[in-house]
Amino acid sequence: QSALTQPPSVSGSPGQSVTISCTGTSSDVGNYNRVSWYQQPPGTAPKLLIYEVTNRPSGVPDRFSGSKSGNTASLTISGLQAEDEADYYCSSYTSSSTLIFGGGTKLTVL
Amino acid sequence: QVQLQESGPGLVKPSETLSLTCTVSGGSISGYYWSWIRQPPGKGLEWIGYIYYRGSTHYSPSLKSRVTISVDTSKNQFSLKLSSVTAADTAVYYCARVGYDSSGYYTYLDYWGQGTLVSVSP
Repeated sequence: QSALTQPPSVSGSPGQSVTISCTGTSSDVGNYNRVSWYQQPPGTAPKLLIYEVTNRPSGVPDRFSGSKSGNTASLTISGLQAEDEADYYCSSYTSSSTLIFGGGTKLTVL
Repeated sequence: QVQLQESGPGLVKPSETLSLTCTVSGGSISGYYWSWIRQPPGKGLEWIGYIYYRGSTHYSPSLKSRVTISVDTSKNQFSLKLSSVTAADTAVYYCARVGYDSSGYYTYLDYWGQGTLVSVSP
C-alpha cells in the first residue's frame, strides 16, 4: 500500500484560510469515512485534530475542519494563527484493516 | 488522562532486534487497540501496526515479516520487536492508543507517547 498523497507545503498569512488535501484510493479514503488528521509542531509528538472525516476532539478549535469528496479528504484551517505553523498528516483506515498515513504537509504562516 | 511512555535501548546494532515497551497510565489497556508508529529523522510518519488488548494484531504490509507486537495486560504495557534492523530503521518510535469511531471501528490515534529515538549503528 502506498502512502496517501499530500502537498509537501502550503502557506498563508495570519487570518487567512488554507486547505490541505489528502488523496488516496477506493481501498482507503474513498471507501470509508475513517480519515483522521494530526498536527505536529517541530520537536513534538503528533496531536489528533480530526477523526471520522469531520469530528473534532474536545479542545480542538473550530477553526479546524475536515471534509471528503471521493478519494480525497481535506483539512481546512480558517483564521490562520502563528501557532498553527506545523506539519500536518492525514491518515485513513484501509480495506486490509490497517492504517496508512499521508506524506505530510508543512504549513508556513507568513 | 491517559498517558503513554516508550522505553527501550536508544542504540541497536545492524542485524539485531529492536525492542521497545510502551507503558500506559491513567487508564486501562483493556477495551482498545494500541499502536506503534515511527518517524525517520526529517521524514513523515509510518504506521507499523496495532494490537487489541486481547492479542489480535494487524501489521503494515511493508514491515510484516519483521514485526511482532505483544501485550501484557497485567502490566498495562504493550511491546514492539523489529528484527534484522538496518540503518533505515533509525527513527523516533511512538506508541499510541487507537480510538473507535461511531461504527465501532478502531481508526484514529487519540493519545500518543512523547516518542523515543532509536538509532541503528555498529
